[in-house]
Amino acid sequence: EVQLVESGGGLVKPGGSLTLSCAASGFTFSDAWVSWVRQAPGKGLEWVGRIKRKTDGGATYYAAPVKGRFTISRDDSKDTLYLQMNSLKTEDTAVYYCVSSLQYWGQGALVTVSS
Amino acid sequence: DTVMTQSPATLSVSPGERATLSCRASQSVSSSLAWYQHKPGQTPRLLIYGASTGATGIPARFSGSGSGTEFTLTISSLQSEDFAVYYCQQYNNWPWTFGQGTKVEIK
Repeated sequence: EVQLVESGGGLVKPGGSLTLSCAASGFTFSDAWVSWVRQAPGKGLEWVGRIKRKTDGGATYYAAPVKGRFTISRDDSKDTLYLQMNSLKTEDTAVYYCVSSLQYWGQGALVTVSS
Repeated sequence: DTVMTQSPATLSVSPGERATLSCRASQSVSSSLAWYQHKPGQTPRLLIYGASTGATGIPARFSGSGSGTEFTLTISSLQSEDFAVYYCQQYNNWPWTFGQGTKVEIK
């Protein structure tokens, strides 16, 4: 069974930093292109960014609102995806989902940016 | 960015009736189009990918069609568990983008 489990969410002040982790199991993580998607309260879904598998170069792609502030990385030895978030803004408040192959989604991690 | 526009914003349908949801892309996305169902407090569920291919375990009453810039999701006979928000999403052009969603509610 495929599982994606996010962790690391919480409350952070504007300008602060937070790192989310996503532990994968049930599939060959190193073969997967994986992504982060978020949903702000009362809003729709927004693709945050994605990372290719290392055999495809491991390139990362980011949506404009987070480019330069967020960094996606992966540790294939630990089957884990990361989202490092710096210079957080109140508008980054959202549930953050880890996604693989469009079909598999984690349960989400809530990030609240507030003073 | 590729803007995805869904219509209508809200669709009121009686159980057993057919529901037709539309999604339009601001530029061609070929057939790289997915549909998701999202219920409050749950994880989004992939219904359709490649514009018309059903995801694993999805009931046959869900079908997708279209290519290029115009797409449709059809639910042939609405069941009580189908009342939810539906999103289309293109994965042809980066950044991948979602539509704003269509809420299917009980009439």
